Amino acid sequence: EAGVAQSPRYKIIEKRQSVAFWCNPISGHATLYWYQQILGQGPKLLIQFQNNGVVDDSQLPKDRFSAERLKGVDSTLKIQPAKLEDSAVYLCASSLEGGRGVVQYFGAGTRLSVL
Amino acid sequence: AQSVSQHNHHVILSEAASLELGCNYSYGGTVNLFWYVQYPGQHLQLLLKYFSGDPLVKGIKGFEAEFIKSKFSFNLRKPSVQWSDTAEYFCAVKKNQAGTALIFGKGTTLSVSS
Repeated sequence: EAGVAQSPRYKIIEKRQSVAFWCNPISGHATLYWYQQILGQGPKLLIQFQNNGVVDDSQLPKDRFSAERLKGVDSTLKIQPAKLEDSAVYLCASSLEGGRGVVQYFGAGTRLSVL
Repeated sequence: AQSVSQHNHHVILSEAASLELGCNYSYGGTVNLFWYVQYPGQHLQLLLKYFSGDPLVKGIKGFEAEFIKSKFSFNLRKPSVQWSDTAEYFCAVKKNQAGTALIFGKGTTLSVSS
């Protein structure tokens, strides 16, 4: 079974530039999550989708971050403009659904360096 | 706000030593509990989980964890570690409600010397 796919694996940009990350969840998984993992910290949820609807985006810095999951499958996370403090690993995860007693499966992540 | 504390930032052990990594959480209601592991250069993988029932759960590679509700703890154990257990370990907690977030601890780096 294919896992959660993410691209690119690495990205280096200068501050104030824009960047986009792509995620393809495990087939059949209705719920998709984007996390930010800063060095030395655990992953922090940015946004959760159930199919193509947003369930929780309370931790998403909406002035610069946006995410979409238009057809309920793939998702894109965008940062515009990037700041130095956005340097982190961006993880995508998926689960069958977002309710109780579910397991989230993680992709390899995109490591972003903002210079 | 809900939080997860992992007591040890970096643990160094010799092969065959016993391991216990502490995890405490702050939410008082029903929770789902997880330990994830990240081996060098790999993605986060589920080690074990607790949803309900027997508070002693067994996971992959000989790991186990015990849920102690009165102590809000979910400590990870392994009786004899191997060099291949060198990795970062994350405890994570989720309220047992739809639409709630999975909250991670800061992680514990385990280094096992052969």
